[in-house]
Amino acid sequence: GAGVSQSPSNKVTEKGKDVELRCDPISGHTALYWYRQSLGQGLEFLIYFQGNSAPDKSGLPSDRFSAERTGGSVSTLTIQRTQQEDSAVYLCASSPDAGGTDTQYFGPGTRLTVL
Amino acid sequence: QKEVEQNSGPLSVPEGAIASLNCTYSDRGSQSFFWYRQYSGKSPELIMSIYSNGDKEDGRFTAQLNKASQYVSLLIRDSQPSDSATYLCALSSLSGGSYIPTFGRGTSLIVHP
Repeated sequence: GAGVSQSPSNKVTEKGKDVELRCDPISGHTALYWYRQSLGQGLEFLIYFQGNSAPDKSGLPSDRFSAERTGGSVSTLTIQRTQQEDSAVYLCASSPDAGGTDTQYFGPGTRLTVL
Repeated sequence: QKEVEQNSGPLSVPEGAIASLNCTYSDRGSQSFFWYRQYSGKSPELIMSIYSNGDKEDGRFTAQLNKASQYVSLLIRDSQPSDSATYLCALSSLSGGSYIPTFGRGTSLIVHP
């Protein structure tokens, strides 16, 4: 079956512009996570969705970052007024449930470059 | 602040040897532990998960968990060049009603022929 998909695969933008990154999780997975990975660094947790519950936004680095998940499926991560330090690979992962015991399945990521 | 510590490496082992990857963590409330493998330029993929103290074996891989020492390790037997990758240690802890994942920075493993 289809895995997690993300688009675009690469995004180059100018400082100050807004960007939207999309994640399409595995069908039926109720949990969805966004991470950021800078070069040579680990995964930085950003935000987590579980079903129709309010998302856990505790990892978002600033109020320029926001995310939504429509219909419990597709999610969009929006970065407003991008800065050069936002350059990273943004990874999305989905999981069958949010019990903390399930495997996360990662998408291929979106490489964001802010000039 | 939850911390997951890994030696960044690189850890270099000859083909056929045992590679030992280690991870320590700060949150005693952590409940689930994972090892992910990440090839260069690719996304992480799960290698092993472990939830209780002791060893868990799957093929050439063995995960070891010691909650008292806050320590989790991954052993790779008969290492192959294809095992060369970065190995990420991760844990899941209940925080404010949510299971929030925390990842280490990863250990780079190089298996040379």
